[in-house]
Amino acid sequence: EPEVTQTPSHQVTQMGQEVILRCVPISNHLYFYWYRQILGQKVEFLVSFYNNEISEKSEIFDDQFSVERPDGSNFTLKIRSTKLEDSAMYFCASRWTVLFSNYGYTFGSGTRLTVV
Amino acid sequence: ELKVEQNPLFLSMQEGKNYTIYCNYSTTSDRLYWYRQDPGKSLESLFVLLSNGAVKQEGRLMASLDTKARLSTLHITAAVHDLSATYFCAVRTQGGSDKLVFGKGTKLTVNP
Repeated sequence: EPEVTQTPSHQVTQMGQEVILRCVPISNHLYFYWYRQILGQKVEFLVSFYNNEISEKSEIFDDQFSVERPDGSNFTLKIRSTKLEDSAMYFCASRWTVLFSNYGYTFGSGTRLTVV
Repeated sequence: ELKVEQNPLFLSMQEGKNYTIYCNYSTTSDRLYWYRQDPGKSLESLFVLLSNGAVKQEGRLMASLDTKARLSTLHITAAVHDLSATYFCAVRTQGGSDKLVFGKGTKLTVNP
């Protein structure tokens, strides 16, 4: 079964440093998402991406965050200057565009970001 | 703005017992999802519910959807320890980017 691949699985970074989280969505999927989950809390939407541009972003997704799909396969989330409160599990998800009866969202295994 | 509420948030049950997790949502949607998450792991898709009255079953889990009441239930039958996990419902927003809005999750512990 096709998978969404995320790297790294765990990243520790110093406060103020830039981090890039990487995702390889399923190859024929066209919609891409980033979500985050602070430890023990619910999964929160960050941003969606379609046709090489952001289609929607949440209040969490401020100027410190950016996304891009540099080479048609990877989908990255960059945090420019990390804060302690950015520590969370970040999930990438993708989906196909056609509304088949059972279409769903495939989530990656996540990147645990720890800001110290 | 779509809001999704789950209850209970914590559920401790004995093996062999039955219980139901509830998921209410505030605005119309045509798709509701149930996910399972083990500690430190990703989200495993359990069910996609597409229409009013939809019922899906997989093993000891059965999910249903009432779009008029904006309510989904996840029923656990004869629980076993392997079902211990956190269960999330998520509702697709209609229009825009079709993002998912998640409930807070129900942490289920099944005791021997």
